[in-house]
Amino acid sequence: QVQLVESGGGVVQPGKSLRLSCEASGFTFSDFALHWVRQAPGKGLEWVASISFDGSNGLHADSVKGRFTISRDNSKNILFLQMNSLRAEDTALYFCARTTPRSIVNFDIWGQGTMVTVSS
Amino acid sequence: QSALTQPRSVSGSPGQSVTISCTGTSSDVGGYNYVSWYQQHPGKAPKVIIYDVSKRPSGVPDRFSASKSGNTASLTISGLQAEDEADYYCCSYAGTYTYATFGGGTKVTVL
Repeated sequence: QVQLVESGGGVVQPGKSLRLSCEASGFTFSDFALHWVRQAPGKGLEWVASISFDGSNGLHADSVKGRFTISRDNSKNILFLQMNSLRAEDTALYFCARTTPRSIVNFDIWGQGTMVTVSS
Repeated sequence: QSALTQPRSVSGSPGQSVTISCTGTSSDVGGYNYVSWYQQHPGKAPKVIIYDVSKRPSGVPDRFSASKSGNTASLTISGLQAEDEADYYCCSYAGTYTYATFGGGTKVTVL
């Protein structure tokens, strides 16, 4: 079945790094743009980053620009989020999601999320 | 990159209708016909219930409808049911540099 499964979350100290992964199955990975969306505890959804179907274009929210990098490996069906210089305000549940080719904010499939806690 | 504005909460009795507004700017909601809505139950991932302003994915009940006027999008839930109690988020395309902006979320309570 169509599925996204995140991993790589954990507890990390401020200033440190973490790499999140999102493994896809059940669909042609290279046909879809992919995204990271986060949700701080008790808060709303926040778009973090997006990458085009072929990995040639990546966009990042101002709040993470210069610290986070989205990438993908279409040969292995995996999406990544490299998170550097982590701050307390990056503490959140991180979801990966895909959008359909013809509808650019139709996040139709979501993973279950991986929790990142930034704390000393 | 400001969040879209939604009411924090709305409520209604079973069978009633509720409407959630989502106000943005001409750079997001008003500038594109790419607005989507998500339902999120506690501890679960969001689920798309509306995309492209007013389209419903297969399997989403027709009790959910949506529209847009100017910089404001709206989601209406008709014939409110107990299982509709959840958080609802709007989302708009925001251009080639920001990509997407979400609303702050609205908690729907079924009385």
